[in-house]
Amino acid sequence: SQTIHQWPATLVQPVGSPLSLECTVEGTSNPNLYWYRQAAGRGLQLLFYSVGIGQISSEVPQNLSASRPQDRQFILSSKKLLLSDSGFYLCAWSQGGDSPLHFGNGTRLTVT
Amino acid sequence: AQSVTQPDIHITVSEGASLELRCNYSYGATPYLFWYVQSPGQGLQLLLKYFSGDTLVQGIKGFEAEFKRSQSSFNLRKPSVHWSDAAEYFCAVGSSGTYKYIFGTGTRLKVLA
Repeated sequence: SQTIHQWPATLVQPVGSPLSLECTVEGTSNPNLYWYRQAAGRGLQLLFYSVGIGQISSEVPQNLSASRPQDRQFILSSKKLLLSDSGFYLCAWSQGGDSPLHFGNGTRLTVT
Repeated sequence: AQSVTQPDIHITVSEGASLELRCNYSYGATPYLFWYVQSPGQGLQLLLKYFSGDTLVQGIKGFEAEFKRSQSSFNLRKPSVHWSDAAEYFCAVGSSGTYKYIFGTGTRLKVLA
């Protein structure tokens, strides 16, 4: 069966520090990968998605970037965090077509 | 553009009562529709999905949803709510033409004992 791992679960970082969140998927090949951010009362905002290694689509211009160095690995990064980057970050995967998204357990990021 | 509207931000029901959570979507073609549930501090868990065929779909945990094309709706229902159903519920729409899934802003369910 397929599983998705996302870490760390919580992170507290000072303003101006770098960020790296990792997500890996097991049990499937060539998944579509996604990063969402969830702010209280505002639903899920799609940040990035990837349909293959090295292919990244950005949905929202911002202080973040994403990379996909391996087929089942998706990384969310920032060179310098802002206070507004605080939130709950969710990684997800799908097999494409009509298949649903499957989510990791999320990372709670607090920028101080 | 695709969009999903969940008009109820909060809903409170008594344990054992029936539940209906509303979802309206905007999409030109037949969408793929999903309902997810999220417990505090957790990721989202898929409850059910609709792609085609029977417009009444059954999901996990006793939930069901009905697709009504004429009303652009995909409402989630449960005949008898349990205290453990207290969570936030998200409706989402996807399509075969894009790789994107669009989510509603969620409905937070509170269950009274």
